Formats: sequence, C-alpha cells, structure tokens
Amino acid sequence: QVQLVQSGAEVKKPGASVRVICKTSGYTFTTLAIHWVRQAPGQRLEWMGGINAGNGDTKYSQRFQGRVSITRDTSASTAYMDLSSLRSEDTAVYYCARVVRGGVCDYWGQGTLITVSS
Amino acid sequence: DIQMTQSPSSLSASVGDRVTITCQASQDISDYLNWYQQKPGKAPKLLIYDASNLETGVPSRFSGSGSGTDFTFTISSLQPEDIATYYCQQFDSLPFTFGQGTRLEIK
Repeated sequence: QVQLVQSGAEVKKPGASVRVICKTSGYTFTTLAIHWVRQAPGQRLEWMGGINAGNGDTKYSQRFQGRVSITRDTSASTAYMDLSSLRSEDTAVYYCARVVRGGVCDYWGQGTLITVSS
Repeated sequence: DIQMTQSPSSLSASVGDRVTITCQASQDISDYLNWYQQKPGKAPKLLIYDASNLETGVPSRFSGSGSGTDFTFTISSLQPEDIATYYCQQFDSLPFTFGQGTRLEIK
C-alpha cells in the first residue's frame, strides 16, 4: 500500500535551517510528484512547493522563494524539503503529499512539527 | 494568487442532517478544485477531486459540485465520524491555495 513516512519533530533556533524527509513506498516514485504543504497552529493549509520525482523539476511558492529547496533521491524513493533562515512564524506542521495529477494530493505523510524558538 | 473563501467557518449539525459547505474562488478555476477532510492531529484526506469526483473508498454520502468560481460540498446524512475540518483547494494555477476551512461539529 502507498505510504509516505516523514521524519520526526524538531526544534530549531531562529536563523537555522531544517530538513524534513519524506520516504515513500508502495508505488513507483518517479511516476508522480511530491508536494509540500504546511499548517501553522490554527491556520489554513499553505502550499510551499513541489517536485516532479521523475525529472526533478521543481515549483515553489513565491512566499518561500529563496528559502525553500525541494529535492529527491530516486534510488531511495525519498523527497526532501529544506527550509532556511527560520523564524518563529515558520513554526508549523509540515506535510508531504503525493500528487497524482495537477494538484490532486491523494496520499499524505503523517506530518512533521517544526518548532522555531530561541 | 487565487483566494479561496469558504462558508461557513464553523457549523453545528445533528446526526442525519444534510450539511452543505460552499467555496468561492476569486477567479475562474474551471473544475480544478479538491475537497479534503482533516481530523485533529491528522493529515488531510482527499474526499473529492475535480470538483465532483468521489475519491476511491470515500463514502457516497459525500459529494461535490460546481465549476468556475462557485463550489459546493455536501454530506447527505451526517455521521459522528464526519466531525472534522473541511478544506477546499484550487489547483488551477500556482500557488495552489486552500480555503480557510470549515469546522464541523455535532449538535
């Protein structure tokens, strides 16, 4: 069965960087895309960006341009989301999601809580 | 960016009630709209894609309709396990954007 398993919660200081890992299984990784969505406490879901797992093409939200990088390792069927220059407003649960077509996210990881605090 | 506005923001209904949530896009998005259910502490779950298509395995009491800028999500007979927050999401253009959510409670 399709699974997306994310790395564990982290606490980071302002200005630091974080990497969230999304390991997939149960399907052919390179045939679909992986997108990243975050949710700050009590807030709506916010799309950050995505990667075509086959050719590595990426798209990012302008809100995170320059601070976010999404990569993948096809041999490990794993996607990565790096976010730099962290600030308190980046405290959120970060989700990876499999995208079957366009923006249809049919399977999601369990979420990773990133807390930014001094 | 395309703004997605849901109504209402919260809703209280009884088991067996018909529940309707609306979602309005700030510009025409054709039928590039999904609906998700999110329970506390859990990841979103896809219920409806392309405005009106029921995701595999999702109960038939859930349905969606609409195109262009106005969309509707309906639960035909509310069940206790439907207590959650529901989000619409457009994927007509980047950045993909979500509505603010509708929190559904049992009366």
